[in-house]
Amino acid sequence: DVKVTQSSRYLVKRTGEKVFLECVQDMDHENMFWYRQDPGLGLRLIYFSYDVKMKEKGDIPEGYSVSREKKERFSLILESASTNQTSMYLCASAEAGLAESTDTQYFGPGTRLTVL
Amino acid sequence: AQSVAQPEDQVNVAEGNPLTVKCTYSVSGNPYLFWYVQYPNRGLQFLLKYITGDNLVKGSYGFEAEFNKSQTSFHLKKPSALVSDSALYFCAVRGNSGNTPLVFGKGTRLSVIA
Repeated sequence: DVKVTQSSRYLVKRTGEKVFLECVQDMDHENMFWYRQDPGLGLRLIYFSYDVKMKEKGDIPEGYSVSREKKERFSLILESASTNQTSMYLCASAEAGLAESTDTQYFGPGTRLTVL
Repeated sequence: AQSVAQPEDQVNVAEGNPLTVKCTYSVSGNPYLFWYVQYPNRGLQFLLKYITGDNLVKGSYGFEAEFNKSQTSFHLKKPSALVSDSALYFCAVRGNSGNTPLVFGKGTRLSVIA
């Protein structure tokens, strides 16, 4: 089974702090994604990556950056946390290549971040 | 641009009754369509997908979905609901050209009442 792990289930930070959210997958997937989930808004894509050292902006990249130095690890960085970044953050990975296998994304358990 | 609409925020159904969770989409070209489920305090789990072929797709836990191209819909169905089906359900879509990521709907909360 694919396993996607996230470094923390719950995190509390203060406004202005730099926050790192780590995601690791163990299935050698090329594609990795970061979403935030908010009630009534569903999942919104923050950043994604189709290869090491590659990143693409999603729908709501403002206030975030990412790093992908190794294939299995995709980090989300909040440069200066703000209260409106309080949310559930979900990481996902997916295999690239054949259409039948792409896009079946496997999700981590999520990190609930509270910014005070 | 790609988009997904889940018109119902909440669906309530009695245990043993059939359930339907609605999804409509807009995409350029042919769609790849997905349903995911999120149980309380858990990440999203893949349920089923439509890529091509038979319009009726069967997935995990007895769920199925029907692709209707003319109505641009991909409704999730189950003949007999269980209390354990209570969860948040997300529909997602992408077009089959290019390498664009999935677009998710806002989710529908399903409550199955005993």
